[in-house]
Amino acid sequence: NAGVTQTPKFQVLKTGQSMTLQCAQDMNHEYMSWYRQDPGMGLRLIHYSVGAGITDQGEVPNGYNVSRSTTEDFPLRLLSAAPSQTSVYFCASSYSNDSPLHFGNGTRLTVT
Amino acid sequence: GQQVMQIPQYQHVQEGEDFTTYCNSSTTLSNIQWYKQRPGGHPVFLIQLVKSGEVKKQKRLTFQFGEAKKNSSLHITATQTTDVGTYFCAVDAGNNRKLIWGLGTSLAVNP
Repeated sequence: NAGVTQTPKFQVLKTGQSMTLQCAQDMNHEYMSWYRQDPGMGLRLIHYSVGAGITDQGEVPNGYNVSRSTTEDFPLRLLSAAPSQTSVYFCASSYSNDSPLHFGNGTRLTVT
Repeated sequence: GQQVMQIPQYQHVQEGEDFTTYCNSSTTLSNIQWYKQRPGGHPVFLIQLVKSGEVKKQKRLTFQFGEAKKNSSLHITATQTTDVGTYFCAVDAGNNRKLIWGLGTSLAVNP
């Protein structure tokens, strides 16, 4: 099992550009989520999904979109990148919404 | 909304010394999870506590859940350089769909 796979590992964007962070898991987990991690701020939930076709907002959803068309994939889209979105992004999945989370290796995003 | 306080924010110890981080909530928790993140890495699940007064051990790590289920601690006995990293607690937000995370305790170990 590959676990949770995130791509890319690093990305540099200019302000206003759009991009999609990819996340895939092969553990047949129902619950998937996206976090951003900034120094001194800990982990903040952006969006989450409790199953295919179902998504909901987390703590800091503005500027991000998600979709969950399959159980395996949960992409995060930045519609118009802003410098405030410079961060490390983690995708995580779990068997259910109160089970331990399995994290991907993260994407380090810089917006200039 | 629900918040969880984690202290201390930083801890610097000599190798061989003990280390403890605390996680405190103003509300009763259904469960608490602990994660470790090595520098440059991703959070890795350590343990989940569910029962009041629960104590679980993993080698040199001891996890406790308070009797009132409002606080928890992670204690490391005789730290090693491999213990370096940030330790996070995470608690159920109450609607059973989101985790609320502490800000973490960063542990540095001098060899």
